[in-house]
Amino acid sequence: QSVLTQPPSVSGAPGQRVTISCTGSSSNIGAGFDVHWYQQLPGTAPKLLIYGHTNRPSGVPDRFSGSKSGASASLAITGLQAEDETDYYCQSYDSSLGGYVFGSGTRVTVL
Amino acid sequence: QVQLVESGGGVVQPGGSLRLSCAASGFTFSMHSMHWVRQTPGKGLEWVAAISYDGNNKYYSDFVRGRFTISRDNSKNTLYLQMNSLRNEDTAVFYCAREGNLAVAVAHFDYWGQGTLVTVSS
Repeated sequence: QSVLTQPPSVSGAPGQRVTISCTGSSSNIGAGFDVHWYQQLPGTAPKLLIYGHTNRPSGVPDRFSGSKSGASASLAITGLQAEDETDYYCQSYDSSLGGYVFGSGTRVTVL
Repeated sequence: QVQLVESGGGVVQPGGSLRLSCAASGFTFSMHSMHWVRQTPGKGLEWVAAISYDGNNKYYSDFVRGRFTISRDNSKNTLYLQMNSLRNEDTAVFYCAREGNLAVAVAHFDYWGQGTLVTVSS
């Protein structure tokens, strides 16, 4: 099992807003370590989507936003588009493991 | 543009060895820490190892420590992963990833290679 827990899937209609949760613990997100988010299109490598909880790299649409509360983080996609239908992963650092950890991944489906 | 190209994957028997390479271009390789991350259908993404920009510091996940060795040759702009004592559960796509220099405390991976498949099977 992944150290960071994400829902296996979320779905929404075009134009709607969906959120993906990333639940950790006191040794990772709850300890204040940064959370990053990646988007992975089928057959390709992950792409950095959000860094440091809330920041977007250059070129990432502002439809994507991140937040953090306690030992959890969230990725929100507003104005859902067909091209957003793919997999998303959160990532942080875990002090108990002494290494970087990823979430279990969430598949977004556009209805 | 930044490019990372992995090579060296293949089929190997349990207990065998394999060396992965990652050729970097389009940026100053010697200024970035580098990582290996693997992905399996069952376990998703897993961080494997990291090496500092100068090669002096190396870090490993618990499940590869003692079996895998990360290294780099800055004169060749190349990252390596020597994998020994391979197990069935090491079967995965292995990605090399560049650690970004955005102002955050936890390493993030801003560029990834296309991945190379390692299959451990008898």
